[in-house]
Amino acid sequence: GEDVEQSLFLSVREGDSSVINCTYTDSSSTYLYWYKQEPGAGLQLLTYIFSNMDMKQDQRLTVLLNKKDKHLSLRIADTQTGDSAIYFCAERDNRLAFGKGNQVVVIP
Amino acid sequence: ETGVTQSPTHLIKTRGQQVTLRCSSQSGHNTVSWYQQALGQGPQFIFQYYREEENGRGNFPPRFSGLQFPNYSSELNVNALELDDSALYLCASSGGGSGKQETQYFGPGTRLLVL
Repeated sequence: GEDVEQSLFLSVREGDSSVINCTYTDSSSTYLYWYKQEPGAGLQLLTYIFSNMDMKQDQRLTVLLNKKDKHLSLRIADTQTGDSAIYFCAERDNRLAFGKGNQVVVIP
Repeated sequence: ETGVTQSPTHLIKTRGQQVTLRCSSQSGHNTVSWYQQALGQGPQFIFQYYREEENGRGNFPPRFSGLQFPNYSSELNVNALELDDSALYLCASSGGGSGKQETQYFGPGTRLLVL
């Protein structure tokens, strides 16, 4: 079965906030990651959070980590059309394990 | 500082053939990981090389093999290609230490189509 689970699709209006969720299984991961993939492109590292943190803010991005429930979320504030992409969360440090990704479509 | 590069960008092969994909790691990185991303799926870990030695392998058959060179560039070789090998192959580099717990930076990928 999947180590990392993500819901598949989200549409959001430009300027609104978007929230993407992920559950993971490996509690030994030191870091948890969010990657962005635009059509036809590789993966771009967006942000990561150290496993002993609950929250990390990085400009428009806020990562929340609930270790008890093994739940990770990414909030994008003031979503822009350039944020349209597939977002992957990943766990494990040495060999990343990815979910299937969330496709985010930003409506102008 | 140059990022991770991969070649070729696209490739078409037929079943049973062999393919070699190449990756140049980011400057200063000594670890390369390879992933396979099938259409509509997340990337799946194939294997990792650290200082020219295999440093972990995912659930892929032996016909998937790799090399890392002294300059830390890497190759992924796939023998006896099957239709299901059609995917985007991603290379990621990391480094500066033991190969563990370092952020991985991805190249643009090589899209392989097997007919």
